[in-house]
This record gives sequence, structure tokens and C-alpha cells, in this order.
Amino acid sequence: EPEVTQTPSHQVTQMGQEVILRCVPISNHLYFYWYRQILGQKVEFLVSFYNNEISEKSEIFDDQFSVERPDGSNFTLKIRSTKLEDSAMYFCASSEGDSGRVEQFFGPGTRLTVL
Amino acid sequence: AQKVTQAQTEISVVEKEDVTLDCVYETRDTTYYLFWYKQPPSGELVFLIRRNSFDEQNEISGRYSWNFQKSTSSFNFTITASQVVDSAVYFCALSEQYSGAQKLVFGQGTRLTINP
Repeated sequence: EPEVTQTPSHQVTQMGQEVILRCVPISNHLYFYWYRQILGQKVEFLVSFYNNEISEKSEIFDDQFSVERPDGSNFTLKIRSTKLEDSAMYFCASSEGDSGRVEQFFGPGTRLTVL
Repeated sequence: AQKVTQAQTEISVVEKEDVTLDCVYETRDTTYYLFWYKQPPSGELVFLIRRNSFDEQNEISGRYSWNFQKSTSSFNFTITASQVVDSAVYFCALSEQYSGAQKLVFGQGTRLTINP
């Protein structure tokens, strides 16, 4: 069964460093998303991406963040100059369509720890 | 603005008991979608069910059932004859219909513990 994959599973970085989180969405999906979950809290929307551009972004997704689809399979989230409060689980998701008629499939997540 | 509230932070029951997880939502849209996701201890998010705002028919799938009531803005989830493997955090989520990609708004989650 097709699935969303994410690498690495765990990333440890020093405050101020840049990190790139990688995702491979399901191959026939066109819509891509990033969410984050601070430990013990709810899952929060960061950004949605379609046709090589951002469709919507949340207040969390400031200039520190960027997304890219560098090739036909990968979808990346870059965090520049990481802060301690960026420590969280980051989930990538993808979907076939752009409405709630289709579910989003989530990857296993990347746990980011900023020291 | 949309909002999802899961008032139950933690629930603990003994195996084989039935348990209901509550979800109340707020939205100004007339067209919207509701979801339940399960997050087991391994951390991934597993899709369980989707409902649209025009379909209030309740659904049963094996030991799972869902009760959607627009009049009270609730979308509750019941596990019948619970099992230890049902232990997880369960999230209710809402998506509004608008042009552009779908954004899921999640509730705070309910941590369900099934004790043997």
C-alpha cells in the first residue's frame, strides 16, 4: 500500500542551525502539507502546497520556514536559524484532492530536537 | 474561524468496556468535513473516518462507530468492546470547504488508555 515517507526520523541540531526535513508523498497525490506537533500538544497546520506554490500558510510559518518540491518526488521543509521552540514532531501529509472529500495521508513524522 | 474542542484530556477504561470520545466543533461554513485520526504510541497519525456536513448518517465499522449531530456541532466516536491495542491519542479534526488546498484543524486530542 502506498505511503508517505519522511527522513530523517529524528534530527538533532544546535540552535541557530538550518535543517531540512524531507518527505516523499504518495506518488499520484498533488497536494502536500506540513504540520507540527509540539510534545504533548495538538497537531498544528503549517503550510499547504500545490502546483509548485504555497496555497496557504499559518501564522507559525514565518520567514524562518520555506518549502520546496525540488524534483518530482521529494517535498522539503527548511527551517533557517532554528530556535529551541522549533523542537517538535513534524508531519508531512499528501492528498489526491484539495477538499475534505479526500483524506490526507500522513507520514511517520520527523522528531526535531533543537539544543 | 474554525475550532475543534475535545474536552476529555484522558480516559482510562478496562478492556472490553465501551468508550465514547467527544468532539465539538465550530465553523461558519455550511460545507465542511470532519475527521478522526488515531495516534498510537509509535507516533504516526492514522486516518479513521471522514464525514461531510451534508451526511449526518451515523456509521458503524466493526467495533468503531461515529455519531455526527449538526444540531449540537458534535462528532463523537465510540469504541465498543475496547481492546488494549486501542490505546492511543485520538484527534478530531475539521476542514472547511474553500478554494485551495485543504487545511486540517485538530482538537487537543484525547489520550485513551485501555487497561487489561
